[in-house]
Amino acid sequence: QSALTQPASVSGSPGQSITISCTGTSSDVGGHNYVSWYQQYPGKAPKLMIFEVSNRPSGVPDRFSGAKSGNTASLTISGLQAEDEADYYCSSYTTSSTQVFGGGTKLTVL
Amino acid sequence: EVQLVESGGGLVQPGGSLRLSCAASGFTFSRDWMSWVRQAPGMGLEWLANIKQDGSQRYYVDSVKGRFTISRDNAKNSLYLQMSSLRVEDTAVYYCARDGFAAALNDWGQGTLVTVSS
Repeated sequence: QSALTQPASVSGSPGQSITISCTGTSSDVGGHNYVSWYQQYPGKAPKLMIFEVSNRPSGVPDRFSGAKSGNTASLTISGLQAEDEADYYCSSYTTSSTQVFGGGTKLTVL
Repeated sequence: EVQLVESGGGLVQPGGSLRLSCAASGFTFSRDWMSWVRQAPGMGLEWLANIKQDGSQRYYVDSVKGRFTISRDNAKNSLYLQMSSLRVEDTAVYYCARDGFAAALNDWGQGTLVTVSS
């Protein structure tokens, strides 16, 4: 049950696109499509942004998109906005019927 | 509107016990899996455990197996986490969350802080 691997930080300018990767194994990310992404502001609870690899809950802007290839999932934010500056976490269901999160990525909007 | 309100956090000595509660409202509690997730200060999220609608299935992360027990009372719309043999490294904000489709955690509480220190 090792944490999924995410870059510690990414940055981009307003209007640009950024992509955050999330690498696991065949026991989690690569094993099925139950990958989610969460946004968290400092001192606040996480918020679901993407579920089942690429689906957006109601109310999440379509600037947020997800994808997966093999053992690596990714979150892309296009048309970056200042309000997107936050921490982002991926998570995956595992073959042991548990869940595992990534270490988190701090997004800085320059 | 879905609301999840955690309570029961506080300061406890190493080796001690604590029970967290999560009061749910705004949805049919008995129809959903529920989870506990924690976040140590300045660190990332760690999924801890979840429980099926009727309590018949429970899953735990290895780091808390045998020490933490997740339970629920559907009549009271409440989720619980009984924590024992607490360690300094269990210090964290503990969140309850509502499981949704594809194991996504749709809704989260505001969290309750547990501090394990002598």
